[in-house]
Parts: sequence; structure tokens; C-alpha cells
Amino acid sequence: DAKTTQPTSMDCAEGRAANLPCNHSTISGNEYVYWYRQIHSQGPQYIIHGLKNNETNEMASLIITEDKKSSTLILPHATLRDTAVYYCIVRRRSNDYKLSFGAGTTVTVRA
Amino acid sequence: NAGVTQTPKFQVLKTGQSMTLQCAQDMNHEYMSWYRQDPGMGLRLIHYSVGAGITDQGEVPNGYNVSRSTTEDFPLRLLSAAPSQTSVYFCASSYSPGRDQETQYFGPGTRLLVL
Repeated sequence: DAKTTQPTSMDCAEGRAANLPCNHSTISGNEYVYWYRQIHSQGPQYIIHGLKNNETNEMASLIITEDKKSSTLILPHATLRDTAVYYCIVRRRSNDYKLSFGAGTTVTVRA
Repeated sequence: NAGVTQTPKFQVLKTGQSMTLQCAQDMNHEYMSWYRQDPGMGLRLIHYSVGAGITDQGEVPNGYNVSRSTTEDFPLRLLSAAPSQTSVYFCASSYSPGRDQETQYFGPGTRLLVL
């Protein structure tokens, strides 16, 4: 699976959009970008995933660059409850079950 | 649905003791897995199972055994606990890759302290 690079930490003001970058320059055409988050002491929670097109759900939006070498997770209106570690994961989907978690980005939403 | 449940929530062991961490899911998921998370680190895969009767090793399997006799349950056994196994353990489950709903769901975790 392709390796991902994320900033170690970032702050965000409550009510503003949080934009979380992820670099995955070695990604291949059949690999998906997944985002999970882990709120303190809890199990990771799925947020969103995409192959090459932008995706949106009730939690977030995922913007993938045309060359797929990077992506951005957007939390449109961050709340204090969005404070968590966010993991960007790249994996094939057809026969690969494993999620390879890196260190992630620690996002702190401030009032 | 209860989702993914794990017991116990917290356990203290002495070095050399054995124990089993329980994991169950009620979503009829084929895939189940165990991860451990050490302080300040991401999750590392211990063992996984793609269906009843089928298990395989992840990246850190040493010191742990698993079995999958039913679709619902995937227990993790520590045969002889060591202080290096002090960690938080998460169980996860999902449908098989390729299905539309193959998001992985994680349990609340078991915090293990080995003295």
C-alpha cells in the first residue's frame, strides 16, 4: 500500500472549516483513500473514502487531486466534538482487508 | 444492533498470566481483526480473520493466538502475558472488501496493564 504523509497537528476554530491535508505520492490507480478518526480513548471511526472523484457525506468532504498524489479532508463546520486524531489511509479494496494506521494528524478545535 | 463489543474494558495481569480478550459483532460481518495501540502511536494489526475457521497473522502476532469458530466471535488469547503487551486492544469487523458496505467498525477497546 502507498505510504501517506500528514501534518502532526493542527488547530481549528469552532464553526470554521477544517482542511486536513494528506500526501500519497506513490498511490496507484486502484488504491482508495480512506479517512478515519479516533476521538480520545475510543475506537477509530470511519469518516469517508474515495477512489479518484471528490466525495461528500454527512460528516465530511474528500477532495482528491487529479493526479491522486494528495487529498484533503474537509470538516465543513468544526465543533469541539471533532477534536481527534485523523488518519489518512491508502489501500486496495479488492482483496486487501488491512488498514495501515500511521501517526495521523491531531486536530484540536478551539472555542 | 450492538455493533462491535469488547470485554473486559480494563484488565490488570501479572507477568506470565494468561487471559482471553473477547470480541463479538452482530452485523454478520465476514472480516474481523485485532489491533493494538501503544501510547502516542497508531494502530498495529495483530491477527485477522476473513471468515469462520480462517485466521491469519498481522504485523505483530507474536505472543497472541486467535480462533474463529463462529461468524460473531473472535477472541484474542494472551498465553503468557509480558509487560510489553501493555496496550489498548481494539477489535474491528467489516464485510468483505469489494462489497459496498465494507467500512470497518471498531469496538470501544480493552485496556490491558501487565505488571
